[in-house]
Amino acid sequence: EAGVAQSPRYKIIEKRQSVAFWCNPISGHATLYWYQQILGQGPKLLIQFQNNGVVDDSQLPKDRFSAERLKGVDSTLKIQPAKLEDSAVYLCASGRRTDTQYFGPGTRLTVL
Amino acid sequence: GNSVTQMEGPVTLSEEAFLTINCTYTATGYPSLFWYVQYPGEGLQLLLKATKADDKGSNKGFEATYRKETTSFHLEKGSVQVSDSAVYFCALVELTGNQFYFGTGTSLTVIP
Repeated sequence: EAGVAQSPRYKIIEKRQSVAFWCNPISGHATLYWYQQILGQGPKLLIQFQNNGVVDDSQLPKDRFSAERLKGVDSTLKIQPAKLEDSAVYLCASGRRTDTQYFGPGTRLTVL
Repeated sequence: GNSVTQMEGPVTLSEEAFLTINCTYTATGYPSLFWYVQYPGEGLQLLLKATKADDKGSNKGFEATYRKETTSFHLEKGSVQVSDSAVYFCALVELTGNQFYFGTGTSLTVIP
């Protein structure tokens, strides 16, 4: 089966600009996650969806980050406006159940 | 609260050497435990998992045993190869929860 797809793979923007990332999970996976991975650290959960509903967004900086999964399939994560400290790899993962996750290749964001 | 602590890297080994990467955890309930591997420029891939005490997860020559008494899930491989060079992440998820907790990762370099 096809894996989790993410785009773009790389993005460079200036601070205060906006950026959006896209994720297409594995077919049939109801659960979708967005993580932020800062260089040298483990992934940090930003938001978790079950179908098109939010299960956990407690660590999402809601003043600048937003995410949606309107039809319970694809998802977008947006940052508006970006800050220097948002430079990281943004990982999308999906799963059938909450005990196993399959990760996409990630989007590497550089904020200048 | 829940957390995962991994041995700090980087770890450098010669080919065919024995590998151990330590992982200990703190959990309020009964977690499932995972090892993920991240190759350069790629997303995380599930390496192995264990869902209850005394379970042994294994894959590609790697093994880890869920030790409840020592709250550990150490990763081992008897003979590493150059192709095993990557960053390894230990992680847990509570059975009653949804959020994954990742360690900070351990970088492994295997030299010929």
